[in-house]
Amino acid sequence: SQTIHQWPATLVQPVGSPLSLECTVEGTSNPNLYWYRQAAGRGLQLLFYSVGIGQISSEVPQNLSASRPQDRQFILSSKKLLLSDSGFYLCAWSEFVAGAVNNEQFFGPGTRLTVL
Amino acid sequence: AQSVAQPEDQVNVAEGNPLTVKCTYSVSGNPYLFWYVQYPNRGLQFLLKYITGDNLVKGSYGFEAEFNKSQTSFHLKKPSALVSDSALYFCAVRDNGSSNTGKLIFGQGTTLQVKP
Repeated sequence: SQTIHQWPATLVQPVGSPLSLECTVEGTSNPNLYWYRQAAGRGLQLLFYSVGIGQISSEVPQNLSASRPQDRQFILSSKKLLLSDSGFYLCAWSEFVAGAVNNEQFFGPGTRLTVL
Repeated sequence: AQSVAQPEDQVNVAEGNPLTVKCTYSVSGNPYLFWYVQYPNRGLQFLLKYITGDNLVKGSYGFEAEFNKSQTSFHLKKPSALVSDSALYFCAVRDNGSSNTGKLIFGQGTTLQVKP
């Protein structure tokens, strides 16, 4: 069965410090991968998605970047954190099947980031 | 533009009573619809999806959803609510403008409060 991991679970960082959040998926190959941010326990904002190694699409301009160095690894980074980067970060994956249209996304447990 | 609307920020229901969480959508092409549930400080869990076929879709934990094409709605229902159903619920629709990416468009979420 497939499993998605995120770490760390919680993180407190000072303004201006770097960030690296990691997400890995087990039990599948060539998944689509996604990073979301959720502010104040409400709506989800899609930050980045990836359909393959080294292929990153950014949804909104911001202080963050993403990388996919391996097939099942997705990393969210920042060189200098802002107060506004605080939030709950969720990684998700979906199965890539050529021509398929209905593949649901499966979410990791999330990382709670507090920037002080 | 494609979108999902969850018109109620919060739904309150007594334990044992039926519950409905509303969702309407706007997409180009065929709608592929999903419901997720999120418990505090956790990732989203997939509940059910509509792709085609029967308008009544059954999912996890006794939940079901009714697809209504003429009203462009996909309301989540449960015949008898449990206190443990209290959580944040998200409706989502596949982004048909981004083929093969698996991107979803999420509603803003509805908090379900079930009181004993």
